[in-house]
Amino acid sequence: KQEVTQIPAALSVPEGENLVLNCSFTDSAIYNLQWFRQDPGKGLTSLLLIQSSQREQTSGRLNASLDKSSGRSTLYIAASQPGDSATYLCAVFTGGGNKLTFGTGTQLKVEL
Amino acid sequence: EAGVVQSPRYKIIEKKQPVAFWCNPISGHNTLYWYLQNLGQGPELLIRYENEEAVDDSQLPKDRFSAERLKGVDSTLKIQPAELGDSAVYLCASSPGQGDEQFFGPGTRLTVL
Repeated sequence: KQEVTQIPAALSVPEGENLVLNCSFTDSAIYNLQWFRQDPGKGLTSLLLIQSSQREQTSGRLNASLDKSSGRSTLYIAASQPGDSATYLCAVFTGGGNKLTFGTGTQLKVEL
Repeated sequence: EAGVVQSPRYKIIEKKQPVAFWCNPISGHNTLYWYLQNLGQGPELLIRYENEEAVDDSQLPKDRFSAERLKGVDSTLKIQPAELGDSAVYLCASSPGQGDEQFFGPGTRLTVL
């Protein structure tokens, strides 16, 4: 059974800081991996999708990397802003893309 | 382009009452998902549709939950009767096909009293 862990569970940083969120998964036979953000009381917003054949994906200030062999992905946020405050979730596709397993998220707070 | 639409956004009912949630996926998306999210947890899949066919409903509590996706577009998730433990956020998502990037609706927050 695939298990996805995110560390840390919560993180508070000053504005402007670069930061890294971690995601680890137990079964390296993944189809692809997706990062989301969730604002309080809202649904999930897709940030990046990394195919299993890719090593990284970039979108603006966000960069996600994938190391299948070690079962890890990181989300790098450059020059953090208060608007980045949210919960960040990673989710792993397994079973040929049939099943998406989510981590419990990292709650990020960027302070002025 | 419109995103995934869900209604209602909030629902408060008493236990043993029925409740239904509606989802309209992104146009052209063949795959539709219903997830349940408890506070402080990641979403958990309840059911996945490929067009109008439910291809994975292994996590759906079939004694009280049912779902349908008529004509392979909109979908409805129903609970009858609701229990206190069903209080959660019910999320709908869609993707062009299985394994593709998923897009989520705003969710329905259910409170069972």
